[in-house]
Amino acid sequence: DIQLTQSPSSLSASVGDRVTITCRASQRISNHLIWYQQKVGKAPKLLIFGASTLHSGVPSRFSGSGSGTEFNLTISTLEAEDFATYYCQQTYSTPLIDFGPGTKVDIK
Amino acid sequence: QPQLQESGPGLVKPSETLSLVCNVYGDSITSRSYYWGWIRQPPGKGLEWIGSIFYSGSAYYNPSLKSRVTMSVDTSKNQFSLQLRSVTAADTAVYYCARLRGGKNEDYWGQGTLVTVSS
Repeated sequence: DIQLTQSPSSLSASVGDRVTITCRASQRISNHLIWYQQKVGKAPKLLIFGASTLHSGVPSRFSGSGSGTEFNLTISTLEAEDFATYYCQQTYSTPLIDFGPGTKVDIK
Repeated sequence: QPQLQESGPGLVKPSETLSLVCNVYGDSITSRSYYWGWIRQPPGKGLEWIGSIFYSGSAYYNPSLKSRVTMSVDTSKNQFSLQLRSVTAADTAVYYCARLRGGKNEDYWGQGTLVTVSS
């Protein structure tokens, strides 16, 4: 299977900050990567697919980049509603899928 | 976009079988473009892929769960199912069903259902 790591595992930030989360894959996965946002008690919400395509309705302050083995999720200007846990998922080997361990973004 | 809805008992006794159904709305489970999957999340922990199935019945399972998992598809009801045998407290989790397309495409999930394993 494909191992996904995320860094950092957690971060503290303030409203208005720029935040970048990195997801690394153990092998090249082209741009076959999804980012999710999950709030406590809720299902993961799709943010970005194809590493950089914003899902419908997702604010433009979210962006994704990367290809191969290294990917970034950036929130350009953090808002209060963005405090959550973020997961990456590889879709390269679907129907076998793998998830990163998550990055928790909380309030400084 | 499709809607997926999980259903099944919220409480299962240790050593028994956990059974869940995912009903799919707004999409055909017989589409050749998709796989249908189950993912779970223990309380306070990360996401774990359980398995995926094609409408034909071809299934792929997480090796760590393979000996206890069976997935099936009912095309007449546009639904697919999960059975997890010999459950323990470690199987307590929110269980999600999902439509998986792969590649550069988006996946869609249900809202999840909490299953607690307890006597």
